[in-house]
Amino acid sequence: AAGVIQSPRHLIKEKRETATLKCYPIPRHDTVYWYQQGPGQDPQFLISFYEKMQSDKGSIPDRFSAQQFSDYHSELNMSSLELGDSALYFCASSKGQGTYEQYFGPGTRLTVT
Amino acid sequence: AQSVTQLDSHVSVSEGTPVLLRCNYSSSYSPSLFWYVQHPNKGLQLLLKYTSAATLVKGINGFEAEFKKSETSFHLTKPSAHMSDAAEYFCVVGNAGNNRKLIWGLGTSLAVNP
Repeated sequence: AAGVIQSPRHLIKEKRETATLKCYPIPRHDTVYWYQQGPGQDPQFLISFYEKMQSDKGSIPDRFSAQQFSDYHSELNMSSLELGDSALYFCASSKGQGTYEQYFGPGTRLTVT
Repeated sequence: AQSVTQLDSHVSVSEGTPVLLRCNYSSSYSPSLFWYVQHPNKGLQLLLKYTSAATLVKGINGFEAEFKKSETSFHLTKPSAHMSDAAEYFCVVGNAGNNRKLIWGLGTSLAVNP
């Protein structure tokens, strides 16, 4: 069965650079969630989209933005990167907004040097 | 408001012995509860879920969890640990709102000794 695809899997950036993370949800899933997981921490919810509209916002810094496109894939744009942004970024997808059935991608490991 | 507490940050067992990872939750509603596993440098995988059906939930890889409303617990168990079970385990409660946000515990690191 098709799973959530994230690209790239690994990304190394320098401070103050920008990064774009991509997420391709499971086919026919219309909701995408972004999480940030720091070393040794639980995943922190950043933001979610349902039918291409932002549905909820968590602890996403103002330097970050995200959107969901017409094909339901989503991109997380990160600017003015800081060392503290180094983390594993997960994308999850679900069918419908009112469901807990979130399927997670493998994550993108971002390292900021 | 919902919350979840994993009572042990680290658990160490010997291969072949039982595993118990403890989780307590707080919820004003009938909760939806999940256990996720994360192997080193890997993504999050759903082990099992409770969504108000049978209180004893069977998951993948021989894991089970029992929903006990009177104790507000959802402990994860496995009769016999395998080396491949060494991973981080997260107990998660579903936020009973329209956005169905997942609320994560801080995780329990399971070590399995030969």
